[in-house]
Amino acid sequence: NAGVTQTPKFQVLKTGQSMTLQCAQDMNHEYMSWYRQDPGMGLRLIHYSVGAGITDQGEVPNGYNVSRSTTEDFPLRLLSAAPSQTSVYFCASNSGAGSEQYFGPGTRLTVT
Amino acid sequence: DAKTTQPTSMDCAEGRAANLPCNHSTISGNEYVYWYRQIHSQGPQYIIHGLKNNETNEMASLIITEDRKSSTLILPHATLRDTAVYYCIVRVRGGTSYGKLTFGQGTILTVHP
Repeated sequence: NAGVTQTPKFQVLKTGQSMTLQCAQDMNHEYMSWYRQDPGMGLRLIHYSVGAGITDQGEVPNGYNVSRSTTEDFPLRLLSAAPSQTSVYFCASNSGAGSEQYFGPGTRLTVT
Repeated sequence: DAKTTQPTSMDCAEGRAANLPCNHSTISGNEYVYWYRQIHSQGPQYIIHGLKNNETNEMASLIITEDRKSSTLILPHATLRDTAVYYCIVRVRGGTSYGKLTFGQGTILTVHP
């Protein structure tokens, strides 16, 4: 199993540009989520999904959209990038409510 | 979810056991104790979890006190690659809620040669 994969590993955007961060898992997990981590801080939940077609907001959802059309994929869209969205983004998946989460390697995003 | 308290940092000599404490005095009866770690620049990694019995896997052991108000993660033979931030998290397992992970500041474990 590849586990949780994320692309790209690094990205630089200009303010106002849009882009999609990709996340895929091959463990047939129902639950997937997106976190961001700013320097010296813990992870904060952006959006999550408890199954295909079902998504919900986390702590810091503003400026981001998600969709879940398949069990495997959970892309994160930045609608109009801002410097405040410079961060490391982690995708995670887990098999059920409260079960252990498995994280991807992260995408390092810089918005100038 | 119950709050946890961990020391900010700890040191350990390579080859020795690393014992990382966590206080969770407000833990509820249906909340589990989870441990994750994050090695620099990588995604967090699940280590172990438990409810009230001690648990052991290939990575670590988890000792939970009888009153469940505190726990200790034990890395039996620490290596340099175990240098990381270790997070103790308590949360409900199962049910219908999402079960959000709340990462605090964690403990920075530094393993020395």
